[in-house]
Amino acid sequence: GQNIDQPTEMTATEGAIVQINCTYQTSGFNGLFWYQQHAGEAPTFLSYNVLDGLEEKGRFSSFLSRSKGYSYLLLKELQMKDSASYLCAVRAPSLPGGSYIPTFGRGTSLIVHP
Amino acid sequence: GAGVSQSPRYKVAKRGQDVALRCDPISGHVSLFWYQQALGQGPEFLTYFQNEAQLDKSGLPSDRFFAERPEGSVSTLKIQRTQQEDSAVYLCASTTVPSGRAGETQYFGPGTRLLVL
Repeated sequence: GQNIDQPTEMTATEGAIVQINCTYQTSGFNGLFWYQQHAGEAPTFLSYNVLDGLEEKGRFSSFLSRSKGYSYLLLKELQMKDSASYLCAVRAPSLPGGSYIPTFGRGTSLIVHP
Repeated sequence: GAGVSQSPRYKVAKRGQDVALRCDPISGHVSLFWYQQALGQGPEFLTYFQNEAQLDKSGLPSDRFFAERPEGSVSTLKIQRTQQEDSAVYLCASTTVPSGRAGETQYFGPGTRLLVL
């Protein structure tokens, strides 16, 4: 199975930068996703990493190190609307030889205050 | 359609009652996933369909849970003899390609919030 760990909660100030870490242990790694989920809403896709390095997309960037089982999501120029839960998901076979299934961490609740 | 839709959005059931939750994926999407999300937790995988074939049901918590996608589009998750621990949000997600392909992105529906009394 997969073991995914991310902090439960983080707080930051509007306009600042915040880094949300995700560590994982898995067999058959096949990509890592970050999703944003506002309270009571569906998760929405933010980023995808399958090779080592940094992927930048506007105010959001995501980094992956496969050898360390580590990823982070970097949010710049924080806005109040960025207050949400951020979910790290690792794709790997659910069973040996099985289908590739994204497994989600419990999410990091980010609170942005003025 | 424009996105993944789910119905009902809210369901209150008495313990022991059977419920059926519906998911309409984005038209043409090959893969469909069901997840269960408890309050304050991430989505937990239940089952995966590629077209009409249920390729993985390893996440279904008991034999009270059953899912189908008979024509490879709409899917139904059925829970028999509901228990209080079944209370959660049930999310459906679809993707354009079979699971595991590069660049696969899941598009989630708004979920069905189930409360079992």
